[in-house]
Amino acid sequence: KNEVEQSPQNLTAQEGEFITINCSYSVGISALHWLQQHPGGGIVSLFMLSSGKKKHGRLIATINIQEKHSSLHITASHPRDSAVYICAALIPFGNDMRFGAGTRLTVKP
Amino acid sequence: EPEVTQTPSHQVTQMGQEVILRCVPISNHLYFYWYRQILGQKVEFLVSFYNNEISEKSEIFDDQFSVERPDGSNFTLKIRSTKLEDSAMYFCASSEGGGTSGYEQYFGPGTRLTVT
Repeated sequence: KNEVEQSPQNLTAQEGEFITINCSYSVGISALHWLQQHPGGGIVSLFMLSSGKKKHGRLIATINIQEKHSSLHITASHPRDSAVYICAALIPFGNDMRFGAGTRLTVKP
Repeated sequence: EPEVTQTPSHQVTQMGQEVILRCVPISNHLYFYWYRQILGQKVEFLVSFYNNEISEKSEIFDDQFSVERPDGSNFTLKIRSTKLEDSAMYFCASSEGGGTSGYEQYFGPGTRLTVT
């Protein structure tokens, strides 16, 4: 069983739709990263959170430590949001990160 | 805005050859990391580096891998004798502090290594 599971694996949306990507983890964590991987392969860090909720522009990330679950929401989605979104769990007392398999998001105009 | 840079963007090498992948972390960062992503698979942690030594490494990071900070700016990953299965995208990352202190990691654009 993977330590970090994401759903859905693939997601297609129309421009303007509200998007939710889910991440569940089975390991103890000190923090969770949400990352965006562009078609060219580059990775950008979107959020790192260990509790509650963070917002940056149209992106919102939430985490429920008790349920070992995090969500990434995109409001008013746009074609430029098309990318692979990856959650990664930072293991406590170290710098090891365990990555989910990613959610491929395609936003159509 | 400061960013992590990596060179080369693409490296092709023959099996058995040594390769060195180079990274320039963000200048005030103290923790450095290498990750790899085999095509179509998840990103995997390789190693973290702090205070001129390895602080953590994964099972993947065996004796054929080594890391070095040869000067004040570069951080390198060396693969001594490349195998076909080393073909992957290699990402470098850096952070101001360690993960347990809540510091975010910043990723480089990656080096695509192709072993033929």
